[in-house]
Amino acid sequence: NAGVTQTPKFRVLKTGQSMTLLCAQDMNHEYMYWYRQDPGMGLRLIHYSVGEGTTAKGEVPDGYNVSRLKKQNFLLGLESAAPSQTSVYFCASSYARGEVGNQPQHFGDGTRLSIL
Amino acid sequence: GESVGLHLPTLSVQEGDNSIINCAYSNSASDYFIWYKQESGKGPQFIIDIRSNMDKRQGQRVTVLLNKTVKHLSLQIAATQPGDSAVYFCAGIFNFGNEKLTFGTGTRLTIIP
Repeated sequence: NAGVTQTPKFRVLKTGQSMTLLCAQDMNHEYMYWYRQDPGMGLRLIHYSVGEGTTAKGEVPDGYNVSRLKKQNFLLGLESAAPSQTSVYFCASSYARGEVGNQPQHFGDGTRLSIL
Repeated sequence: GESVGLHLPTLSVQEGDNSIINCAYSNSASDYFIWYKQESGKGPQFIIDIRSNMDKRQGQRVTVLLNKTVKHLSLQIAATQPGDSAVYFCAGIFNFGNEKLTFGTGTRLTIIP
């Protein structure tokens, strides 16, 4: 059981280039999330999705777009990369809130992205 | 808005001793809290969670305590081992019906052999 898988693991981009980060989960989770982690700032939510075909903005959505065409995949796109987007990006997934309340989010091992 | 903060950025504990990592939050409309462990080069790993209708929850070698009166959360790790060395994050979901986790900045726990 792979859990949450992120590709690529590392990437270096030049300012202005575009790229897509892929997240795949095999736990049949309804909810998926993208975070960025910067030194001294904890994890901040970029975008999230509560189901196939739906997305919503998080805390720091500017400069990013997402798509959830399939339940198991959540894509994060950078249309025109900027040095401020240098970070470690984490994808997470969880079951829907349901009757018992919120469920824990399970994370992948991250994509380390550098923008030059 | 809501915020979550950890009390100490670093903590060193002798192997075999118990460790306590603290966390405070600012929003009283709390619903759900989670503790994560993050090792170098890895993603956050779920340790234990607690809902706002509970004061205490125990797992294997870990206990989470929730004090809603003073808006304080703690993670206790019993009989620490070298493998417990990592950064520990508390995170909370505020406002019932919300899916968004708010993370603290983390405490780096170092186990001294």
